[in-house]
Amino acid sequence: DIVLTQTPLSLSVTPGQPASISCKSSQSLLHVDGKTSLYWYLQKPGQSPQLLIYEVSSRFSGVPDRFSGSGSGTDFTLKISRVEAEDVGVYYCMQGIHLPLTFGGGTKVEIK
Amino acid sequence: QVQLVQSGAEVKKPGSSVKVSCKASGVTFNSNAFSWVRQAPGQGLEWMGGIIPMFGTASYAQKFQGRVTITADELSTTAYMELSSLKSEDTAVYYCARAGGYHLLLNWLDPWGQGTLVTVSS
Repeated sequence: DIVLTQTPLSLSVTPGQPASISCKSSQSLLHVDGKTSLYWYLQKPGQSPQLLIYEVSSRFSGVPDRFSGSGSGTDFTLKISRVEAEDVGVYYCMQGIHLPLTFGGGTKVEIK
Repeated sequence: QVQLVQSGAEVKKPGSSVKVSCKASGVTFNSNAFSWVRQAPGQGLEWMGGIIPMFGTASYAQKFQGRVTITADELSTTAYMELSSLKSEDTAVYYCARAGGYHLLLNWLDPWGQGTLVTVSS
């Protein structure tokens, strides 16, 4: 199974400041079609996960542009340019190139 | 607007089975795959398996092989996840999620159902 390692485990951020989360994969997530199957989700407190970013860097519909994704191969990053109160929750990366689908362990973001 | 509505919370005895449903609306059912993901209390997300209704084929994580059965009914646009031989460690919130295409791989998961809490306790 592909292992995704997220760091840090938690993050406490002052509103308006940036935040960055790393996700490292045990195998390349680059598919032969040229797309990289890495996704980011946010699970707000008491809610179901919601998709933020697909294929490394594409923002899903309705996702604010303060969220951005980058990376390639096995190393990926989610950045929030200016954290807002509504961004609190647990962020997960997920790979979709091999079954079983696997998730990173999660990064909890809270507001200072 | 695509929506997934899951069945309600369940309390089960160890050794029994549970079947959770996930009704999809606002989507052409056969055009999408559906995954099931669980989350134990205070823990992360764990993929259990999924189904491609177009082909009627299901895939399962090895951890759950032999204990989980995922099915889909095109007429009622509902996916199901049945987990047998329940143990206390199966206490979790179970989510269904739609894949962004008709295959389990290379697709995002969105939206997710509201989750179904399954509690296994004697």
